[in-house]
Amino acid sequence: AQRVTQPEKLLSVFKGAPVELKCNYSYSGSPELFWYVQYSRQRLQLLLRHISRESIKGFTADLNKGETSFHLKKPFAQEEDSAMYYCALSGGSNYKLTFGKGTLLTVNP
Amino acid sequence: NAGVTQTPKFRVLKTGQSMTLLCAQDMNHEYMYWYRQDPGMGLRLIHYSVGEGTTAKGEVPDGYNVSRLKKQNFLLGLESAAPSQTSVYFCASSDRSLTSYNEQFFGPGTRLTVL
Repeated sequence: AQRVTQPEKLLSVFKGAPVELKCNYSYSGSPELFWYVQYSRQRLQLLLRHISRESIKGFTADLNKGETSFHLKKPFAQEEDSAMYYCALSGGSNYKLTFGKGTLLTVNP
Repeated sequence: NAGVTQTPKFRVLKTGQSMTLLCAQDMNHEYMYWYRQDPGMGLRLIHYSVGEGTTAKGEVPDGYNVSRLKKQNFLLGLESAAPSQTSVYFCASSDRSLTSYNEQFFGPGTRLTVL
């Protein structure tokens, strides 16, 4: 079975501070991991995926297979980063995603 | 290119009523999904389809049925709505290719309230 855990429901930081959203996963094979973002009352959209090693809107995430983690990081948070962030895993079936429960990030001015 | 669209955007039902949510995508994707989003629960997969004419159960399928008669459409039905089905419903689609890496594209959501 595959599982995604986001331990923080809520995370609040000040503008300009570093931010790290945690994601841990459980999967016996080789996973594909993603971060999706949902701005207020908008649809979910892909933020980044580990396989392409991108940096989007200043966010990065590194897959750590030893710690089974895929934490999302940004060195200087902006107010427009306030949103719900979901970590997701795809494994085995190659088309279904298992989502974590999400972390609501609030960046205060 | 509209992407993924959902109809309706909002709906209020009484317990026991039935309704159908329509999802349409114009990206020629093979795979389509229905999720529900509830506070503190994240997104949970209800049903999915890997191609026209095929459907399969996800994590929380009870009380829902689906049909994929055309590749571009994926319908979610509630035969007898219950208050526990009050939620925001998202449809998504994806295709498997070297460039897509299984990225799912989401619709805008349908906010359903069952009284």
